[in-house]
Amino acid sequence: EAGVAQSPRYKIIEKRQSVAFWCNPISGHATLYWYQQILGQGPKLLIQFQNNGVVDDSQLPKDRFSAERLKGVDSTLKIQPAKLEDSAVYLCASSWTGYEQYFGPGTRLTVT
Amino acid sequence: GENVEQHPSTLSVQEGDSAVIKCTYSDSASNYFPWYKQELGKGPQLIIDIRSNVGEKKDQRIAVTLNKTAKHFSLHITETQPEDSAVYFCAALYNQGGKLIFGQGTELSVKP
Repeated sequence: EAGVAQSPRYKIIEKRQSVAFWCNPISGHATLYWYQQILGQGPKLLIQFQNNGVVDDSQLPKDRFSAERLKGVDSTLKIQPAKLEDSAVYLCASSWTGYEQYFGPGTRLTVT
Repeated sequence: GENVEQHPSTLSVQEGDSAVIKCTYSDSASNYFPWYKQELGKGPQLIIDIRSNVGEKKDQRIAVTLNKTAKHFSLHITETQPEDSAVYFCAALYNQGGKLIFGQGTELSVKP
């Protein structure tokens, strides 16, 4: 079974630029999550989708972050404009049962 | 609010020794407790989990115990090997389909 796929793996941008990350969950997993992991910390949820609907986006900085999951499969997370403090690893996870969550390899973002 | 405390932040053991990592959670409604292993440059990998109706679960060299009264759970790794070296995260799930709240992580180093 293929795991969660993410791209790109690395991205370096200047502050105030925009960036987008892509995630393809495990086939059949209805729930998709985006987490932000700052160096030395545990992942923190940004947004959760159930199929193509948003379940929880309470921790998403909506003035600069946006996410969508069209057709209930792939998802895209966008940051515009980026700030220095957005430097982190962005992890995508998916779940079928609502309990076990399986993570992708992440995208390491550096904002200079 | 929802919070998970994890200790220790770093742990160094000799190959063949046991390692124990402990976590406490704040929300008594939490009912699912996974443990993740994260190697450098990779996403978190689910290694074992336990639900609130079980006190202990074992899978080969790793085991997890849960004390719901005290609101704490622990990861036990026996006969440690150098390939066990990684950062380990505990997490708690408030309800099925909800978000995971992660601990701060424990960097385990197994010396040959």
